[in-house]
Amino acid sequence: DADVTQTPRNRITKTGKRIMLECSQTKGHDRMYWYRQDPGLGLRLIYYSFDVKDINKGEISDGYSVSRQAQAKFSLSLESAIPNQTALYFCATSDPGLPRDTQYFGPGTRLTVL
Amino acid sequence: TQLLEQSPQFLSIQEGENLTVYCNSSSVFSSLQWYRQEPGEGPVLLVTVVTGGEVKKLKRLTFQFGDARKDSSLHITAAQPGDTGLYLCAGEETSGSRLTFGEGTQLTVNP
Repeated sequence: DADVTQTPRNRITKTGKRIMLECSQTKGHDRMYWYRQDPGLGLRLIYYSFDVKDINKGEISDGYSVSRQAQAKFSLSLESAIPNQTALYFCATSDPGLPRDTQYFGPGTRLTVL
Repeated sequence: TQLLEQSPQFLSIQEGENLTVYCNSSSVFSSLQWYRQEPGEGPVLLVTVVTGGEVKKLKRLTFQFGDARKDSSLHITAAQPGDTGLYLCAGEETSGSRLTFGEGTQLTVNP
């Protein structure tokens, strides 16, 4: 079984709709992250959480919100989706111990906003 | 946020050729990680370099961290079709454990 899972894997939605992307992990890591990936732009950090009571904005948090329901679950919401949020979204986890905070990624969610 | 520039963005070579991918910044990083991503999957860590001037080898892949910890390179010797993928560098910011990713290098190795 995969250590970091994301649901759904693919989603097509319309402008203005609210959608939620979910991430679950069995690695026992406290730290979780949400990134989006666009061609030519690499991975950009949306939000991150270092434990259940900790939520931090990343470099591109506008238009997104998150919820850390438990150590193992971290959800990303788009309150009112817009076309330029079409992207590949990745959840990741990490442990601050050695090696240097390696991040473990889920398989990604491909989101299309029409 | 510290920035990382990765070059080239695209690279298409023939099997057996050598190649180098560069990752540059004006900022100092605590460590530099290299990831490889295949279609339909998330990035997977290849290596982490921590010390300025450090060189690590992973079979035909050689990773180097610049002396000033601002840049890094990935050299592949005798590339094979199985090396095809998106290579991403990521710097660990000195202020904490957030990673800043480069734009990625899409490598295609033709048989």
